[in-house]
Amino acid sequence: KAGVTQTPRYLIKTRGQQVTLSCSPISGHRSVSWYQQTPGQGLQFLFEYFSETQRNKGNFPGRFSGRQFSNSRSEMNVSTLELGDSALYLCASSLGTAEDYGYTFGSGTRLTVV
Amino acid sequence: GNSVTQMEGPVTLSEEAFLTINCTYTATGYPSLFWYVQYPGEGLQLLLKATKADDKGSNKGFEATYRKETTSFHLEKGSVQVSDSAVYFCAPYLYNQGGKLIFGQGTELSVKP
Repeated sequence: KAGVTQTPRYLIKTRGQQVTLSCSPISGHRSVSWYQQTPGQGLQFLFEYFSETQRNKGNFPGRFSGRQFSNSRSEMNVSTLELGDSALYLCASSLGTAEDYGYTFGSGTRLTVV
Repeated sequence: GNSVTQMEGPVTLSEEAFLTINCTYTATGYPSLFWYVQYPGEGLQLLLKATKADDKGSNKGFEATYRKETTSFHLEKGSVQVSDSAVYFCAPYLYNQGGKLIFGQGTELSVKP
């Protein structure tokens, strides 16, 4: 069965622009979480969606937002990009809660802000 | 506060050597515990998990035991292979922050033939 699909794989944007990243979870998975991975900060939780509702949110500024559609696909948006937003953004899906099932991660979107 | 501390890397071993990667955590209650592995250029993969005290998670020759007394979840493998070269992440599931996995900083393992 298909894994978690993230598009695009690579993205280069200019400071001040906005960007939208997409994630298609494994079929049947209703929970989608997003993480930011950087060499300095490691993996940091952004937010989690379940059945189109944000269930949890990390400590990121309001420039970072997300949503989930009725087919469980999710998007995250970053507005007014800063150089520090350069990172690997990972999407993870789960059948229920990560506590019970763990996450299945996608390969990530590598965002570079110049 | 809640945190995860992993052994610093990189760890370099010869093939067939014994591996231990230490992980300790601070958290309220008794969280489920996970190890994830990230191969170069890929996302994270679930390696193993344990959900209660004294549980042992195992997969692909790797093992980790949930030690409630020492709040630890050390990863071990008896004989590593070159293909085990990757970054390993320890992650407790935290209930009291809405429910999410918190990842350690990762430990890079390099296995030489």
